[in-house]
Amino acid sequence: LAKTTQPISMDSYEGQEVNITCSHNNIATNDYITWYQQFPSQGPRFIIQGYKTKVTNEVASLFIPADRKSSTLSLPRVSLSDTAVYYCLVGRLNNDMRFGAGTRLTVKP
Amino acid sequence: GAGVSQSPSNKVTEKGKDVELRCDPISGHTALYWYRQRLGQGLEFLIYFQGNSAPDKSGLPSDRFSAERTGESVSTLTIQRTQQEDSAVYLCASSLDGQLDQPQHFGDGTRLSIL
Repeated sequence: LAKTTQPISMDSYEGQEVNITCSHNNIATNDYITWYQQFPSQGPRFIIQGYKTKVTNEVASLFIPADRKSSTLSLPRVSLSDTAVYYCLVGRLNNDMRFGAGTRLTVKP
Repeated sequence: GAGVSQSPSNKVTEKGKDVELRCDPISGHTALYWYRQRLGQGLEFLIYFQGNSAPDKSGLPSDRFSAERTGESVSTLTIQRTQQEDSAVYLCASSLDGQLDQPQHFGDGTRLSIL
């Protein structure tokens, strides 16, 4: 059971970099770390996935330390449209796996 | 290409009625997942299909809930004798083959309201 812990909410301003950290102390060897973004009335949308070190794509970066017990989603230069809930998911789905409550990011002008 | 499609998008029904929720995954995706999301909360995993088989059904909240998948494609989540606590958004997702490095692609859900 790879339980994840994230901050409940975060505030930022347009143009700033936002870092959201997820703790997953009992991550298993084969587990991947995946981040999703969810807007109201929509399903979650895949942002980025990683196993170790650093992963970067066109929208975000994911930093994973060597012990893999945490991960940090980095959103560069956020805009108002990045206001959403961000979920960290570790491992594979089974009946013990849960998405956490997510981090509600509010970007202010 | 087409994403995950769910129908209906909204369903309002009376307590005690049965409901069927449908999910059409991305073509070629062998893994399919159902979740429940109550208002303001995170996603609660319900069941996972690999092909037409669900290896573990113990995540379903009660015996009023059942799910099936046919043709390694469409899946139906059925809730019998609905209760008010069943009110939630039911989300479906699919992934290419259910492997750990395959992200899930979600539909926009069915919003179920039990009166």
